[in-house]
Amino acid sequence: QKEVEQDPGPLSVPEGAIVSLNCTYSNSAFQYFMWYRQYSRKGPELLMYTYSSGNKEDGRFTAQVDKSSKYISLFIRDSQPSDSATYLCALDRENTGFQKLVFGTGTRLLVSP
Amino acid sequence: NAGVMQNPRHLVRRRGQEARLRCSPMKGHSHVYWYRQLPEEGLKFMVYLQKENIIDESGMPKERFSAEFPKEGPSILRIQQVVRGDSAAYFCASARGHSQETQYFGPGTRLLVL
Repeated sequence: QKEVEQDPGPLSVPEGAIVSLNCTYSNSAFQYFMWYRQYSRKGPELLMYTYSSGNKEDGRFTAQVDKSSKYISLFIRDSQPSDSATYLCALDRENTGFQKLVFGTGTRLLVSP
Repeated sequence: NAGVMQNPRHLVRRRGQEARLRCSPMKGHSHVYWYRQLPEEGLKFMVYLQKENIIDESGMPKERFSAEFPKEGPSILRIQQVVRGDSAAYFCASARGHSQETQYFGPGTRLLVL
């Protein structure tokens, strides 16, 4: 069983839709939760960073962590064609001394005009 | 303000040759991470280095792979005697410090082994 599971998609939505992206994980030691966006042929860029359970909002993006269910989500409101990319969740344990990220496989999102 | 730079962007090698991938971290960053992304798989941690030190190489294959981050110059990921299974995108990321400092990724080097 993979440590982090993520549906690869593709997920196709029309412009303006609300998008929900999710990851599940198996190890309760994960305490830091991140979402990265990766455009084709580019490196990942950090979108959201949360510690432990709860919600965090940044513009059109909301990250949600439910540690009891080992489930994390990224919501994108008013999706735009420029949001078309692969979205990767990344998790980290506490007290490792450095950020040793465990990534999901990524979900490919396609937003059509 | 230049980001993380990687070169070459694309590298083609024949089986048995050596591949050298370079990573120049962002200005002011002294911590480098290397990841490998195989087709249809997520990024996998390979190694974490600080200047002149390998801190964690638990994700590196035991043979043929090595990494360094010298006092001067870029970090180098070296793959000796490449095999077809080494074909992948290799990303490096840099951070200002250790602990939970954000990692900034480079554009990657795409290695194709013929």
